[in-house]
Amino acid sequence: SQTIHQWPATLVQPVGSPLSLECTVEGTSNPNLYWYRQAAGRGLQLLFYSVGIGQISSEVPQNLSASRPQDRQFILSSKKLLLSDSGFYLCAWSVETAQPQHFGDGTRLSIL
Amino acid sequence: EDQVTQSPEALRLQEGESSSLNCSYTVSGLRGLFWYRQDPGKGPEFLFTLYSAGEEKEKERLKATLTKKESFLHITAPKPEDSATYLCAVQLPRNTDKLIFGTGTRLQVFP
Repeated sequence: SQTIHQWPATLVQPVGSPLSLECTVEGTSNPNLYWYRQAAGRGLQLLFYSVGIGQISSEVPQNLSASRPQDRQFILSSKKLLLSDSGFYLCAWSVETAQPQHFGDGTRLSIL
Repeated sequence: EDQVTQSPEALRLQEGESSSLNCSYTVSGLRGLFWYRQDPGKGPEFLFTLYSAGEEKEKERLKATLTKKESFLHITAPKPEDSATYLCAVQLPRNTDKLIFGTGTRLQVFP
């Protein structure tokens, strides 16, 4: 069966520091991969998605970037964090477009 | 503008008291509608996919239905363990993998 791993579960970072969140999927090949942010009282917002290695689509202009160095690895990064980057970050995968997306347990990011 | 609206925002039920959650959308040419359950501090857990008006899906005490403008999640005889936030999302019709999520309905079931 397929599993998705995200780490760390929680992270506290100072403003201006870099960020790297990692997500890996097991049990499937060439999945579609996604990064979402969930802010309190708001719906999940798609940040990036990828349909293959090195293929990244950005949905919202922002302080963040994503990379997919391996088939089942998706990384969310920032060079300098802003206070507004605080939130709950979720990684997800699907077998293909228009199929259900399956989520990891997220990273709670707090910026001080 | 593509939009997904869920109501009510919060719902308190007595154990065994059936009810329905609503998800209305303003997306033309829907490719799919998804229901998720989210527990506090966790990622959403997939429940159902609906692709066309008139379609219904069931799982234990939950039943999802779809019309051309909205979807309902019916909860029959809920139990305290059904307490969670229920999210609805729609797949845009264009050549994109983007889901538009509603803000969810927070359900609390009391014994």
